[in-house]
Amino acid sequence: AQKITQTQPGMFVQEKEAVTLDCTYDTSDPSYGLFWYKQPSSGEMIFLIYQGSYDQQNATEGRYSLNFQKARKSANLVISASQLGDSAMYFCAMREGADNDMRFGAGTRLTVKP
Amino acid sequence: NAGVMQNPRHLVRRRGQEARLRCSPMKGHSHVYWYRQLPEEGLKFMVYLQKENIIDESGMPKERFSAEFPKEGPSILRIQQVVRGDSAAYFCASSPLQGINTDTQYFGPGTRLTVL
Repeated sequence: AQKITQTQPGMFVQEKEAVTLDCTYDTSDPSYGLFWYKQPSSGEMIFLIYQGSYDQQNATEGRYSLNFQKARKSANLVISASQLGDSAMYFCAMREGADNDMRFGAGTRLTVKP
Repeated sequence: NAGVMQNPRHLVRRRGQEARLRCSPMKGHSHVYWYRQLPEEGLKFMVYLQKENIIDESGMPKERFSAEFPKEGPSILRIQQVVRGDSAAYFCASSPLQGINTDTQYFGPGTRLTVL
């Protein structure tokens, strides 16, 4: 079964607008971490933001915020004031409990239009 | 503060040759992870190592693939007798022994392996 689901293969957003990238996850472990990574066309994986399952508040990092809805098992990434440089693949990932590996979703390709 | 280093960035091999991929973790990090990314897919976990120890290799193919993280020097992912299906991007990530976010893994730029 898929642990991480990203239902949007591609998204478009106008420059300076906000965009939400969806991510749902599946786990029975009460302790887990959720991550978002950005992969630009150059190929590297850039860590953006982290949310722990016990964190009371939604994580924020600059223009990135994570809309964490624990009961719905969703961890959507919100990018405010989109910039052309935000065009990239975005991956949601989860690490459960003491597991060593991170499970990645299939990714969402975001294109920011000028 | 140098990030995770991987080399080579691009590697071309013919079928049957060996591929050797190197990864130097971030300074102060003692945990190394290897992932594989096929085109248009997310990353898939392969192996997790600490210095001189393989902790979890549950994602690694049983044959032809091996990994090590010696006391001195980089971590090495070795693929013997490569086949076309091994063509992929291989990412290394590292995490600190201790820290506020011990769960966060920081990735290197990846090695893109092409098997002809």
